[in-house]
Amino acid sequence: GQQVMQIPQYQHVQEGEDFTTYCNSSTTLSNIQWYKQRPGGHPVFLIQLVKSGEVKKQKRLTFQFGEAKKNSSLHITATQTTDVGTYFCAAISSGSARQLTFGSGTQLTVLP
Amino acid sequence: NAGVTQTPKFQVLKTGQSMTLQCAQDMNHNSMYWYRQDPGMGLRLIYYSASEGTTDKGEVPNGYNVSRLNKREFSLRLESAAPSQTSVYFCASSNYGTGYEQYFGPGTRLTVT
Repeated sequence: GQQVMQIPQYQHVQEGEDFTTYCNSSTTLSNIQWYKQRPGGHPVFLIQLVKSGEVKKQKRLTFQFGEAKKNSSLHITATQTTDVGTYFCAAISSGSARQLTFGSGTQLTVLP
Repeated sequence: NAGVTQTPKFQVLKTGQSMTLQCAQDMNHNSMYWYRQDPGMGLRLIYYSASEGTTDKGEVPNGYNVSRLNKREFSLRLESAAPSQTSVYFCASSNYGTGYEQYFGPGTRLTVT
């Protein structure tokens, strides 16, 4: 099956600093999704990227899909304490159920 | 519209006991999933159901069974719990035509002693 590697595993930033997490695959991905999980909560869908080189923005969050569709990144500008949580990328299978293979996640801590 | 609900929220079992985790969704989704989440390992797929009447193994199915009772409900059964099954279990659902994003339930925290 597909495997996605995600780095870093942990990131501590001062409030106001930027943050980036990276997701890499050895195989070409059809598309990729990003989820956020607050401490003690459940994963919540953020976005899906489909096209090669695609860039999407949600307020301070910028999502990119690599030209070769083997990597993706999530960048947060000027972090806030509300950004605390674990960010996961997930690759979608091509089967009918569209199973997701999740990266191991990046746990973001924002220090006030 | 409750989304995805799971019961129970917490459970403690002794080794060898059995239990069923319940999941229901009210979004009329076709596909449903069971994941387990362990520290530092992300979410791993246990079983999934592409549509009512079908179930398939995921990455870590050993020690589990599932039942897609109807379109709304998808249960996960541990026949003989083991300490290695201590984890947080999430149920999720999705649908084609909506981008396949998955909607997760609040989770069940299971401890096996």
